[in-house]
Amino acid sequence: GQNIDQPTEMTATEGAIVQINCTYQTSGFNGLFWYQQHAGEAPTFLSYNVLDGLEEKGRFSSFLSRSKGYSYLLLKELQMKDSASYLCAPIDGGYKLSFGAGTTVTVRA
Amino acid sequence: DTGVSQNPRHKITKRGQNVTFRCDPISEHNRLYWYRQTLGQGPEFLTYFQNEAQLEKSRLLSDRFSAERPKGSFSTLEIQRTEQGDSAMYLCASSGQGSEKLFFGSGTQLSVL
Repeated sequence: GQNIDQPTEMTATEGAIVQINCTYQTSGFNGLFWYQQHAGEAPTFLSYNVLDGLEEKGRFSSFLSRSKGYSYLLLKELQMKDSASYLCAPIDGGYKLSFGAGTTVTVRA
Repeated sequence: DTGVSQNPRHKITKRGQNVTFRCDPISEHNRLYWYRQTLGQGPEFLTYFQNEAQLEKSRLLSDRFSAERPKGSFSTLEIQRTEQGDSAMYLCASSGQGSEKLFFGSGTQLSVL
C-alpha cells in the first residue's frame, strides 16, 4: 500500500525558490513522478526519478533518496504561472502511480 | 497525436441513475488508467488496463463501478445507482510500452444531485 506525505500549502514570492518535500512508503518501488496541476485542469508531467540523486530540468529539479523514502521538487526563479498544485507520485509496483494529496503553491508578486 | 480524450466533460445526474464515461487514450498507448479526484486531494487510483485486460482494480472500488476496454483502445467507466459521494472528477490516463509516464485527459466532472 501507499503512505505519501507532502505539505498542504506553500507560499513564496516571485523569483524565489521553493522546495516541496515528499515522504512515501510503498510495498514495491519502481520510481517516483512529480506532476503539476493547475486548478480545474489535468495533471501534467514534470519529472521522473528512478535512481538516487538530482534530476535537473530547467527551473525545476527533483531529488530522490530511495533508502529514506524521500523526494523533493525544487522550483527556482518562481513565476506567477507556477501557482498550482504539485503532486508526488511514487510507482507502487508494476505500472501503477499512487498520488499524494498535493502541495498547493501560491506565488505572490 | 491528439492526446487523451474524455467525454463528456461534465455530467449532472440524479441519485440512483447510471452514468457512463468514455476515454480515448493516445493511440499507440497500451496501458489505460482510471483515477478519481475530489477537491483538495490527489488522484485516487481506480483501475487499469493493459491492452484489453483489466489488471488491477482498487479494493476501495464499489461493485457499482465497472470499467471495460473491449478492443484495447477506448475505455468506458460505468457507475450504477449513483450516490452523492460519487461526485468527483474522473480522470483517464494512458501510458506507452515500457513507460510509466502517464498522460492525463481533461477529465469528466460528475455531480450527483
